Amino acid sequence: ELKVEQNPLFLSMQEGKNYTIYCNYSTTSDRLYWYRQDPGKSLESLFVLLSNGAVKQEGRLMASLDTKARLSTLHITAAVHDLSATYFCAVEVARGSRLTFGEGTQLTVNP
Amino acid sequence: DSGVTQTPKHLITATGQRVTLRCSPRSGDLSVYWYQQSLDQGLQFLIQYYNGEERAKGNILERFSAQQFPDLHSELNLSSLELGDSALYFCASSGGTGDNQPQHFGDGTRLSIL
Repeated sequence: ELKVEQNPLFLSMQEGKNYTIYCNYSTTSDRLYWYRQDPGKSLESLFVLLSNGAVKQEGRLMASLDTKARLSTLHITAAVHDLSATYFCAVEVARGSRLTFGEGTQLTVNP
Repeated sequence: DSGVTQTPKHLITATGQRVTLRCSPRSGDLSVYWYQQSLDQGLQFLIQYYNGEERAKGNILERFSAQQFPDLHSELNLSSLELGDSALYFCASSGGTGDNQPQHFGDGTRLSIL
């Protein structure tokens, strides 16, 4: 059974600081997604990572995928309050199949 | 706007009752997925349909059932409701096996069992 683990689960950081969220998974896959969720809202797609070594950047967020290590990272640069949300990684074992989600990382950015 | 429409947004009902949640996928998407989000279980996959046929089942209770209609909209039926069924239910859609797009999620239906 595929397991997806994120850490940390809770992250409180100051504006302007950098930090990294880690996502480990237990089964071979080269398809990994990052989503953002604001409280009580839907999941918004942030990044689609489809191959080993994939790196995607959008604004202050950068995501990478190492399929050999079964590890993805979401790096936050110079955090701002608007980034406060819960971030999920999700693994798709085969194209078009279900997503298996990590527990989510609740990020709070303090002024 | 993801293009995935879910109704209703909120449902409040009592134990033992039955409800139906509805989902319209993005235009052109053939796959519909249902997920349940609760505080204790996180985001759990329930079931997937592809072009009207059941494709995969996850942690879906026997009291729950779903179907996808010829126009590709889907319904999730929850019966004999229990307090523990209170959760946020999401529908997502995608374009099928040839599509490298992510699954797009609707706004969810928040189900509260009293």
